[in-house]
Amino acid sequence: EAGVAQSPRYKIIEKRQSVAFWCNPISGHATLYWYQQILGQGPKLLIQFQNNGVVDDSQLPKDRFSAERLKGVDSTLKIQPAKLEDSAVYLCASSFGDITSGNTIYFGEGSWLTVV
Amino acid sequence: AQRVTQPEKLLSVFKGAPVELKCNYSYSGSPELFWYVQYSRQRLQLLLRHISRESIKGFTADLNKGETSFHLKKPFAQEEDSAMYYCALSVSYGQNFVFGPGTRLSVLP
Repeated sequence: EAGVAQSPRYKIIEKRQSVAFWCNPISGHATLYWYQQILGQGPKLLIQFQNNGVVDDSQLPKDRFSAERLKGVDSTLKIQPAKLEDSAVYLCASSFGDITSGNTIYFGEGSWLTVV
Repeated sequence: AQRVTQPEKLLSVFKGAPVELKCNYSYSGSPELFWYVQYSRQRLQLLLRHISRESIKGFTADLNKGETSFHLKKPFAQEEDSAMYYCALSVSYGQNFVFGPGTRLSVLP
């Protein structure tokens, strides 16, 4: 079974530039998550989708971050304009999201962002 | 809001020694607790869930609702157990999946 795919793996941009990350979840997974993991910290949830609807985006800095999952499959996370403090690993994860299949989330390898 | 704490940033033990990684949570209801592990250069992956009550790679964890804890234990540590360990909590089935800050386990030869 293919895992959660993310791209690009690494990105270096200057502050005030924009960047976009792509995620393709495991086939059949209705729930998709984007997490931000700053060095030395645990993953912090940015946004959670159920199919193509947003379930939770309470910690998403909406003035600069946006995310979409238009067809309920793959998703894009965008940052515009980037700040130095956005340097982090952006993790995409997915799960079946239903009680019969188990509440386990599966992670991608992450997209490493450095803002200089 | 739900919160997960892991008091130790780094835990070093010798091979063959017992290991316990501590996890405490704050939530008034009945959460689902998990341990995730990240080995060097690999993605975060599930180690175990409290609902399963199983032992994975020799690790076990018991949910103690009175102490709001979910400590991870292994009687005899192996060098290949060296990794980052994250405790996580989920409430409202599939919602609000919150991670702790993580503990780096280093098993010395």
